[in-house]
Amino acid sequence: EVQLVESGGGLVQPGRSLRLSCTTSGFTFGDYAMSWFRQAPGKGLEWVSFIRSKAYGGTTEYAASVKGRFTISRDDSKSIAYLQVNSLKTEDTAIYFCSRGPRLQLWAFDYWGQGTLVTVSS
Amino acid sequence: SYVLTQPPSVSVPPGRPARITCGANNIGSKSVHWYQQKTGQAPVPVIYNDSDRPSGIPERISGSNSGSTATLTISRVEAGDEADYYCQVWDRSSDQPVFGGGTKLTVL
Repeated sequence: EVQLVESGGGLVQPGRSLRLSCTTSGFTFGDYAMSWFRQAPGKGLEWVSFIRSKAYGGTTEYAASVKGRFTISRDDSKSIAYLQVNSLKTEDTAIYFCSRGPRLQLWAFDYWGQGTLVTVSS
Repeated sequence: SYVLTQPPSVSVPPGRPARITCGANNIGSKSVHWYQQKTGQAPVPVIYNDSDRPSGIPERISGSNSGSTATLTISRVEAGDEADYYCQVWDRSSDQPVFGGGTKLTVL
């Protein structure tokens, strides 16, 4: 069974940092790209970032709203994807979801975690 | 950037069909995916590539895509279908996913 579990969220002051983790099981992690999304309270889904598999260079992409502040990475030996979030702003308050994908040729996201809440407030 | 437009809400009595649209310039030339998100839960894919149902998704849920509109149809709505629904495409020019703003389906 494919499982994704996010952790690392919490209450943090503006300007501070957090590292979010997405611990996975049930599939060969290294074969897949991994993504992060977020959802602000009462708002829609927003794509944040994805990292390709090592077979495709392990390269990364970011939404314009987080580029330069957020960094996605992966540890294939542990089957974990990370999102380092720096210089946090109040508008970064959201539930952060990780997802498997985008799937090659499909360009969709097939499994999602339950999310971890990040609250940025002084 | 490519923009997907969804109605904010759709309300349907139980047993009736629900149609949720996703509009964009020439969206018929792209593959559209749909996700269902119930309150407090993670999104779940319900349609891939315009009309393919992932395993476990009931046949009541279908999709189509042509011209400037993609449509998610639930043929006989049930209370358990109440959720937010999001359409998604891949924007090749920016190599990024694009999501619609979401449609809240209410079963009357």
